Amino acid sequence: QKEVEQNSGPLSVPEGAIASLNCTYSDRGSQSFFWYRQYSGKSPELIMSIYSNGDKEDGRFTAQLNKASQYVSLLIRDSQPSDSATYLCAVNTSGSRLTFGEGTQLTVNP
Amino acid sequence: GAGVSQSPSNKVTEKGKDVELRCDPISGHTALYWYRQSLGQGLEFLIYFQGNSAPDKSGLPSDRFSAERTGGSVSTLTIQRTQQEDSAVYLCASSLGRQTETQYFGPGTRLLVL
Repeated sequence: QKEVEQNSGPLSVPEGAIASLNCTYSDRGSQSFFWYRQYSGKSPELIMSIYSNGDKEDGRFTAQLNKASQYVSLLIRDSQPSDSATYLCAVNTSGSRLTFGEGTQLTVNP
Repeated sequence: GAGVSQSPSNKVTEKGKDVELRCDPISGHTALYWYRQSLGQGLEFLIYFQGNSAPDKSGLPSDRFSAERTGGSVSTLTIQRTQQEDSAVYLCASSLGRQTETQYFGPGTRLLVL
């Protein structure tokens, strides 16, 4: 089992729809969780961080964390073509190192 | 303020040559990380520096890879006797150093070994 797994893509949604990205992790001791966005040919940039169970909202983005189920998700409301990118789930699994999922490629169609 | 910077942005080398990749972290960030990203893949952890502590080298794929961090700031990742499978984007990140702190990435160095 991989330490961090993301739902397989690619994911395609129409403009204005909700995009749902999912991630599960194996280390119950993980304390911090991050979603990064990576445009093609660019480096990852932070979208959201979440540390406590529940929802965290920032504009059109909502991160959800359920430590009991070892599950973290990212919802993008009112998806825009500019949201088209690869989304990487990252989990702090050991000390300060981050373990990344392989990413989910999202395409938002105009 | 200035973000993480890396140089060179692109590097083409011949198999068997040594290469050095440089990372300048965000000022004040005590933690520095190196990752590798192969085409279409996720990020693979390589090495982590925190202040004056011994680095966590657990992600280095072979003894051809080494890294140092001078003066608690700039870091150099060295790959000796490069192989074609070393071709990837090498990303550096820095953070304030606390376990929950966000890591900020540099633009990466794209390495191509011919």
